Amino acid sequence: SAVISQKPSRDICQRGTSLTIQCQVDSQVTMMFWYRQQPGQSLTLIATANQGSEATYESGFVIDKFPISRPNLTFSTLTVSNMSPEDSSIYLCSVAPGGNQPQHFGDGTRLSIL
Amino acid sequence: GQQLNQSPQSMFIQEGEDVSMNCTSSSIFNTWLWYKQDPGEGPVLLIALYKAGELTSNGRLTAQFGITRKDSFLNISASIPSDVGIYFCAGPVNYGGSQGNLIFGKGTKLSVKP
Repeated sequence: SAVISQKPSRDICQRGTSLTIQCQVDSQVTMMFWYRQQPGQSLTLIATANQGSEATYESGFVIDKFPISRPNLTFSTLTVSNMSPEDSSIYLCSVAPGGNQPQHFGDGTRLSIL
Repeated sequence: GQQLNQSPQSMFIQEGEDVSMNCTSSSIFNTWLWYKQDPGEGPVLLIALYKAGELTSNGRLTAQFGITRKDSFLNISASIPSDVGIYFCAGPVNYGGSQGNLIFGKGTKLSVKP
């Protein structure tokens, strides 16, 4: 299965700043997704990262807060903008490798905002 | 909207015991996925189910896709300490494929006493 690398693995940030999270896959994949996992909670889909076009955001998530890039079939970034303590979460990248294979996840980025 | 109701929320068992957890929904799903998340890591796919009534095993794990398409269960036999973690059920939104947008249950946290 695809190997997914996320950077950074964790960070502690000041409120009001922005952080860009990178997701790199070792093979070309059609679909990439970004999820948020708030402390002690389940996973919630933020958006689908579309290669060559704007990301598709789920209800409750907006591009100004979570801009996403997908410049090619192996890489995507998620930026968490103007961070507040409520943004403290694990942010996870997932990929759909192709065929009928289910999504596989990276190890996530653990973000704490002071 | 679609929701997945996962139970139990947590379990404390003795090593060697069998475990059962389930996931239900008021909506029909065409795919059920079971993931496990260890501390500090992303979810790892355990079993994928694609047909109503399907019973699939992966080592000591067995999962079934309910006949009504509205439920699934996961059993773990002869639990061992490394089974500790959070188990999530997931399904594709709006009757999509397993590569599309997923919704997750709230998770079952499993603790195993040696």
